[in-house]
Amino acid sequence: SAVISQKPSRDICQRGTSLTIQCQVDSQVTMMFWYRQQPGQSLTLIATANQGSEATYESGFVIDKFPISRPNLTFSTLTVSNMSPEDSSIYLCSARDSGNEQFFGPGTRLTVL
Amino acid sequence: DAKTTQPPSMDCAEGRAANLPCNHSTISGNEYVYWYRQIHSQGPQYIIHGLKNNETNEMASLIITEDRKSSTLILPHATLRDTAVYYCIVRAWGGSQGNLIFGKGTKLSVKP
Repeated sequence: SAVISQKPSRDICQRGTSLTIQCQVDSQVTMMFWYRQQPGQSLTLIATANQGSEATYESGFVIDKFPISRPNLTFSTLTVSNMSPEDSSIYLCSARDSGNEQFFGPGTRLTVL
Repeated sequence: DAKTTQPPSMDCAEGRAANLPCNHSTISGNEYVYWYRQIHSQGPQYIIHGLKNNETNEMASLIITEDRKSSTLILPHATLRDTAVYYCIVRAWGGSQGNLIFGKGTKLSVKP
């Protein structure tokens, strides 16, 4: 199974600033995803990170707020822009391999003050 | 929206089998049943999946009813480390229809 790492593991940020989260997979994968998990809640899919093209966002999420990059088959970034306290969540990277199995990173715990 | 219904919580005694039910009455013919779990403060972990046959691996067994409208995840000998939220997800094979959409899951508490 693919091993996914994320940086940073946690951060505390001021409102109005932006944070970029990095996701690295130890092998080439077909698809990469970003999820959000608000306190006490389940996971919500933010977007599918597409290599070489714009990400595909789920309803309720927009590129201006959550710009995503995927420059190659093993790396992606998610930026949380113009943060507010409501953005305090765990952000999880996920990847699907050629066998169609999907794995998750450890998450980035974000607190916005 | 999630296509599954699970009880919000369950308790299990350590060493006993944990049987976690899931209802997916609207499942389509091309959709698989997947189970993941999330131990506190960690990313979700894949457990098992199946289409219509029962499946077993080193972690668990998956029993799917003949009409495929419900399933049960069985942890044969639960330990304290199995305390987690368990998610049952129906998912097509591949593409955007294969995206994992999480419901609220079942919080399993394994007690000594």
